[in-house]
Amino acid sequence: GNSVTQMEGPVTLSEEAFLTINCTYTATGYPSLFWYVQYPGEGLQLLLKATKADDKGSNKGFEATYRKETTSFHLEKGSVQVSDSAVYFCALMINNAGNMLTFGGGTRLMVKP
Amino acid sequence: DAGVIQSPRHEVTEMGQEVTLRCKPISGHNSLFWYRQTMMRGLELLIYFNNNVPIDDSGMPEDRFSAKMPNASFSTLKIQPSEPRDSAVYFCASNPTGPSYGYTFGSGTRLTVV
Repeated sequence: GNSVTQMEGPVTLSEEAFLTINCTYTATGYPSLFWYVQYPGEGLQLLLKATKADDKGSNKGFEATYRKETTSFHLEKGSVQVSDSAVYFCALMINNAGNMLTFGGGTRLMVKP
Repeated sequence: DAGVIQSPRHEVTEMGQEVTLRCKPISGHNSLFWYRQTMMRGLELLIYFNNNVPIDDSGMPEDRFSAKMPNASFSTLKIQPSEPRDSAVYFCASNPTGPSYGYTFGSGTRLTVV
């Protein structure tokens, strides 16, 4: 079946530190890949996506590259801010096979000033 | 675009009472999803509609839970009777047909059953 594995949290960083949140997947077909962010008290928001191998999704200083050879979609940001504190979810959707998203377990990021 | 609208934002009810959660998806989105989120179990898919038809309800925890989508602009999730273990945040999400759009989530309903 399809599955998404994220690194365990919480991840605690100081402001302006470099962020990496690992995400790997297994898929029965060709997936599109997504990162969602959930700020405290809010719903999940789409942060970025990539729909084919070697694509790079980016938004708000965050980036992730679709690596088919390593089945990974790691989230990175060069300099985190306190306002980036949130829970981050990696997800996949199989292309041309319905529109069900498979989510990872989420990784909580805490950024200290 | 007002996004996915859920109501109420917060609901506190007594055990045994009926609870109805409401969702208005984005206009033109063909699919609608109900999720439940708790600290213990994380994000769980309860039920999924496509073109107002329930496609997969295997995540509905038990017969106390039911969901309807009478038209393309409205869905309800009902719990009857409610129990304390139903306390969670319930999210509704919608998306247009197509593999690369992802979902748009509502802000959620925080349900507390006392």
